[in-house]
Amino acid sequence: EVQLVESGGGLVQPGRSLKLSCVASGFTFSNYGMNWIRQAPGKGLEWVAYISSGSSYIYYAETVKGRFTISRDNAKNTLYLQMTSLRSEDTALYYCARLQSYYFDYWGQGVMVTVSS
Amino acid sequence: DIQMTQSPSLLSASVGDRVTLSCKASQNIYKYLNWYQQKLGEAPKLLIYYTNSLQTGIPSRFSGSGSGTDYTLTISSLQPEDVATYFCQQYNSWPLTFGSGTKLEIK
Repeated sequence: EVQLVESGGGLVQPGRSLKLSCVASGFTFSNYGMNWIRQAPGKGLEWVAYISSGSSYIYYAETVKGRFTISRDNAKNTLYLQMTSLRSEDTALYYCARLQSYYFDYWGQGVMVTVSS
Repeated sequence: DIQMTQSPSLLSASVGDRVTLSCKASQNIYKYLNWYQQKLGEAPKLLIYYTNSLQTGIPSRFSGSGSGTDYTLTISSLQPEDVATYFCQQYNSWPLTFGSGTKLEIK
């Protein structure tokens, strides 16, 4: 059974940093591109970042480019999102999601990030 | 970036109704369109990919169609468990973008 389990969220002050993790199981992690997608409270979905299976290709949404860094450790079956210079508008539930061809076929349950003083 | 516009934002229908949700892209996305269902408090779930391909395990009452800039998700006979918010998502080009969602309620 495919499982994606996020962790690392919490309450953080504006301007500070936070690192999210997503541990994958039930599939060969190193064969798939992975993504972070977020959802602000009561709002829609916003794709945040993508990393290819071997980390050769990385894309970011303009709203986070230069502040967030996506990475992965295929030996540990783990996806990361390093978030710096956090803003109130980064407050959201952050999902990791597997990319199958060009659709998100498995999602984690999400981890909440709240940016507030 | 490609903008995705969903309508209506809120839809109320009766059990057994045929329901149609719309999604319009700001440019031709060549059928590179997926649909997701998100129930309250849950992660989104893939329903349909590449406009009309049903994901494994999804009931056949769900179907998708469209081309160019205009796409639809149809539920042939609405069931109580279909109460959710539905999002479309394009993958014609990066950044991948979602519509703002249609919230579906039972009348």
